Amino acid sequence: EAGVAQSPRYKIIEKRQSVAFWCNPISGHATLYWYQQILGQGPKLLIQFQNNGVVDDSQLPKDRFSAERLKGVDSTLKIQPAKLEDSAVYLCASSFHRVGTTEAFFGQGTRLTVV
Amino acid sequence: AQTVTQSQPEMSVQEAETVTLSCTYDTSESDYYLFWYKQPPSRQMILVIRQEAYKQQNATENRFSVNFQKAAKSFSLKISDSQLGDAAMYFCAYRSSTTSGTYKYIFGTGTRLKVLA
Repeated sequence: EAGVAQSPRYKIIEKRQSVAFWCNPISGHATLYWYQQILGQGPKLLIQFQNNGVVDDSQLPKDRFSAERLKGVDSTLKIQPAKLEDSAVYLCASSFHRVGTTEAFFGQGTRLTVV
Repeated sequence: AQTVTQSQPEMSVQEAETVTLSCTYDTSESDYYLFWYKQPPSRQMILVIRQEAYKQQNATENRFSVNFQKAAKSFSLKISDSQLGDAAMYFCAYRSSTTSGTYKYIFGTGTRLKVLA
């Protein structure tokens, strides 16, 4: 089966610009996660979707970050305006919890550099 | 809230030797899953091994095994016969239940493993 797809792989923008990341989860996976991974740290959950509804966005900086998951499949994460501290890798993951499948599957991430 | 702690920022191991990476966690749940993920420079998180808290037997996957101590809330990863390809960041993760009936994954800060030829 195809894995989690993310694009772009790299993005360099100036501060105060906007940027968007795209994620296509594994087919049939109802749960989709966006994580932010700052260099040298572990991934931090930004937002979690179940189908097209938000389950948890408690750590999403809502004044600048937004995310949507239309039709419960693809998702986009947007930052507007970007700050220097937003430089990080943004990981998308998906999961489908059934017997024998308990883990989250990750994409290759987008490395964002804000200059 | 659940937390995951990895106290070793970096470890080194000689090729063909054995290394153990440490992880502790805090939770009030009785049934849960724990994972070790590997993240090579390509950035893709790859599942190494999983452990269900309900099972007393430690999980093993080829050269990878865990030492799961539920009472101590400890979950260490042992890599035997280390290979150059094992060099990567290793993250311990906890699967936490949510109020909506789904799950979320909480990660530690990672341990960078270097394998010396």
